[in-house]
Amino acid sequence: DAGVIQSPRHEVTEMGQEVTLRCKPISGHNSLFWYRQTMMRGLELLIYFNNNVPIDDSGMPEDRFSAKMPNASFSTLKIQPSEPRDSAVYFCASGTGGHETQYFGPGTRLLVL
Amino acid sequence: GNSVTQMEGPVTLSEEAFLTINCTYTATGYPSLFWYVQYPGEGLQLLLKATKADDKGSNKGFEATYRKETTSFHLEKGSVQVSDSAVYFCALLSGGYNKLIFGAGTRLAVHP
Repeated sequence: DAGVIQSPRHEVTEMGQEVTLRCKPISGHNSLFWYRQTMMRGLELLIYFNNNVPIDDSGMPEDRFSAKMPNASFSTLKIQPSEPRDSAVYFCASGTGGHETQYFGPGTRLLVL
Repeated sequence: GNSVTQMEGPVTLSEEAFLTINCTYTATGYPSLFWYVQYPGEGLQLLLKATKADDKGSNKGFEATYRKETTSFHLEKGSVQVSDSAVYFCALLSGGYNKLIFGAGTRLAVHP
């Protein structure tokens, strides 16, 4: 079975550009999470969707960040405009209800110059 | 609020040494506790979990026991291998939905 799929795996962009990260969760999972990992702040939850609906976006750093989940098999995280401090590894994870296990994708390594 | 505290790394061991990575938590109610592992260049993978006090989670030779009285969930392995080199994250599951709260991570380096 395919795991969580993220694209691109690596992204290098210049400050001010728009960046779109993509995630395909595991089929049948109804929860989806976006995390950001940096050396300084560790692993931070940005936003959580359940059944395609955003439930908790309190971790989204500011208005430059937005996330969508138009259907059960696809989600995007967009940064516009990007800034150097957004450089990080962004992980998508999916799971099912209850005390479930979250399955993480391989991550997108973003570098904003 | 809820939080997880892990021992600082890196932890450097020789192959076949005994491993302990300490984890303590602060939480209301009775959270579930997890250990995740992140190998270089990869996403996090669930290593083991425990959902109630005195439960022991185990996998791949790793063990951790949910100790409510000491609010701890220490990770142990009797004999580490070079392939265990990775970053280990302790986490708790809080609230009425699936929001994992992670510790800062502990890097383990095992040398032959």
